[in-house]
Amino acid sequence: DGGITQSPKYLFRKEGQNVTLSCEQNLNHDAMYWYRQDPGQGLRLIYYSQIVNDFQKGDIAEGYSVSREKKESFPLTVTSAQKNPTAFYLCASSIDSRAPYNEQFFGPGTRLTVL
Amino acid sequence: AQSVSQHNHHVILSEAASLELGCNYSYGGTVNLFWYVQYPGQHLQLLLKYFSGDPLVKGIKGFEAEFIKSKFSFNLRKPSVQWSDTAEYFCAVNRNTGKLIFGQGTTLQVKP
Repeated sequence: DGGITQSPKYLFRKEGQNVTLSCEQNLNHDAMYWYRQDPGQGLRLIYYSQIVNDFQKGDIAEGYSVSREKKESFPLTVTSAQKNPTAFYLCASSIDSRAPYNEQFFGPGTRLTVL
Repeated sequence: AQSVSQHNHHVILSEAASLELGCNYSYGGTVNLFWYVQYPGQHLQLLLKYFSGDPLVKGIKGFEAEFIKSKFSFNLRKPSVQWSDTAEYFCAVNRNTGKLIFGQGTTLQVKP
């Protein structure tokens, strides 16, 4: 069953703690993305990666970090420096980010609540 | 700054009514345009996309969208909505960079 998995579905953390969100894809896609979804603001790009061992900042990268050691995996760490981390986080992938008409496929999301 | 605007934030329709959701973007040049839909409890999924050719694009579930370059618009339409169309709809633009810029989203509620 091909697709993108994100875990966990719900995550609760105390303020000041770093937390890592998992994203795995078995679609053999080169490009992967992390978005943050807030009510009334749509999706905003945090980081993206076009190939293994390479990634670029998106529009709201401050307070986040990523790694891309394997093609299938693109974990996102929400650090204590992120001022407003409570949000719904979506991971996506596409065949090749350099072909802009390629659609992005999305995972089910992780809802992070910082207490 | 580059932006994508969806003017309708919350739309309520009765079944069988016609739907049109507005989407405008703020920059010229070559663009690729997308509409995504997020049904309650489900993944965000592609409804339709435009990158060249016929500006009237047909998607899944009876949706269509028209690219009007002179108006910088890509409005989504459906002649007759169903209760199952209740969802959040997002317009997105890619300016040949590989990055999608999303609009704010429109929540559609269809009353049975």
